[in-house]
Amino acid sequence: AQSVSQHNHHVILSEAASLELGCNYSYGGTVNLFWYVQYPGQHLQLLLKYFSGDPLVKGIKGFEAEFIKSKFSFNLRKPSVQWSDTAEYFCAVNPSGGYQKVTFGTGTKLQVIP
Amino acid sequence: NAGVTQTPKFQVLKTGQSMTLQCAQDMNHEYMSWYRQDPGMGLRLIHYSVGAGITDQGEVPNGYNVSRSTTEDFPLRLLSAAPSQTSVYFCASSPSGYEQYFGPGTRLTVT
Repeated sequence: AQSVSQHNHHVILSEAASLELGCNYSYGGTVNLFWYVQYPGQHLQLLLKYFSGDPLVKGIKGFEAEFIKSKFSFNLRKPSVQWSDTAEYFCAVNPSGGYQKVTFGTGTKLQVIP
Repeated sequence: NAGVTQTPKFQVLKTGQSMTLQCAQDMNHEYMSWYRQDPGMGLRLIHYSVGAGITDQGEVPNGYNVSRSTTEDFPLRLLSAAPSQTSVYFCASSPSGYEQYFGPGTRLTVT
């Protein structure tokens, strides 16, 4: 079974700082990778996804993520965060090919200080 | 489109009571899932369905039942509520079984 690790549980940044949230997974085969965001009091929304092709994927609101297969990583980045980016971020993975159960990481809470 | 809708938004139950959490989607997605979200544990899959009439267990199915009689609806039944089932419950649908579209959630407290 696959697993997902998000090592940063709580990150505090000042506005305009750069962001990188770590995500590592364990699975030996081909995977699909996702980042979801949950703003305070809201439901999860898809931020970006990787299925295949260019390992650098761009999502909404200026976020991007890079898939590094050799490191089993899919880190989320943003060059300059805003106060409105305060949220919890979840990495998720599922094996490619047919329906497979999605596994979520435990989440990283990002607090952006104005 | 309303997307994925869930009712109720909040619910308080006493231990031993049963109830059904409702979930509906209007996107004609084949795949639907139920997750629970607990602090520090992320989202854990309870049950899922790959189409009408087909359901299967996820990571934490004990104490919950599901059925999928139509493409649109995927109710989650708590058979005999326990304090350990206090959580936020999210329903999700997916066109492909990959990216998930989540509902607004139901916050359940069992006393």
